Amino acid sequence: AQSVTQPDIHITVSEGASLELRCNYSYGATPYLFWYVQSPGQGLQLLLKYFSGDTLVQGIKGFEAEFKRSQSSFNLRKPSVHWSDAAEYFCAVPELDTQGGKLIFGQGTELSVKP
Amino acid sequence: DAGITQSPRHKVTETGTPVTLRCHQTENHRYMYWYRQDPGHGLRLIHYSYGVKDTDKGEVSDGYSVSRSKTEDFLLTLESATSSQTSVYFCAISDGLEYNEQFFGPGTRLTVL
Repeated sequence: AQSVTQPDIHITVSEGASLELRCNYSYGATPYLFWYVQSPGQGLQLLLKYFSGDTLVQGIKGFEAEFKRSQSSFNLRKPSVHWSDAAEYFCAVPELDTQGGKLIFGQGTELSVKP
Repeated sequence: DAGITQSPRHKVTETGTPVTLRCHQTENHRYMYWYRQDPGHGLRLIHYSYGVKDTDKGEVSDGYSVSRSKTEDFLLTLESATSSQTSVYFCAISDGLEYNEQFFGPGTRLTVL
């Protein structure tokens, strides 16, 4: 069965510092992977997605993620964090072999940004 | 941005009363979903729909029912609200083509006293 693990529940970084949020997956085939961001009081917004091809994926707001098959990881990165990046981040994979087009979400990582 | 609206955006109700939340989309997407979000639990799927009048249960469906009589509307009903159903509820849609990529509504904050 597919699963997604985000090992870090909460991360704090200083503004201007680099960021890496971890996502590990278990998947029975070539994975399709998503990162979503949820700003306080808002719905989830798609940051980026990986379907195939180049393993380094660029997203919105200056984020990128790298797919590493050997490590079953799809970590989200940003070279310089801004205060507005404070939010909760979710990694997700499609649920295979079921109807309904469902996604399996990780538990989320809450990012705090220190001035 | 995908055209998804949720109503109401905030609601306070009392235990035992029925509550209906509405999700409306303008994208003509086939799939629609209701999630609840609670601290420490992430997003949990309540019910989903894969077409008009076609719905199925998610992982936390007890106490909830849904209906979809039109492509654009997906209703979530709490037949008799309980305090444990205090939560933020999100609707999402998908056309099922881009490997289940989903688009989310702004959420409804429900408080059951």
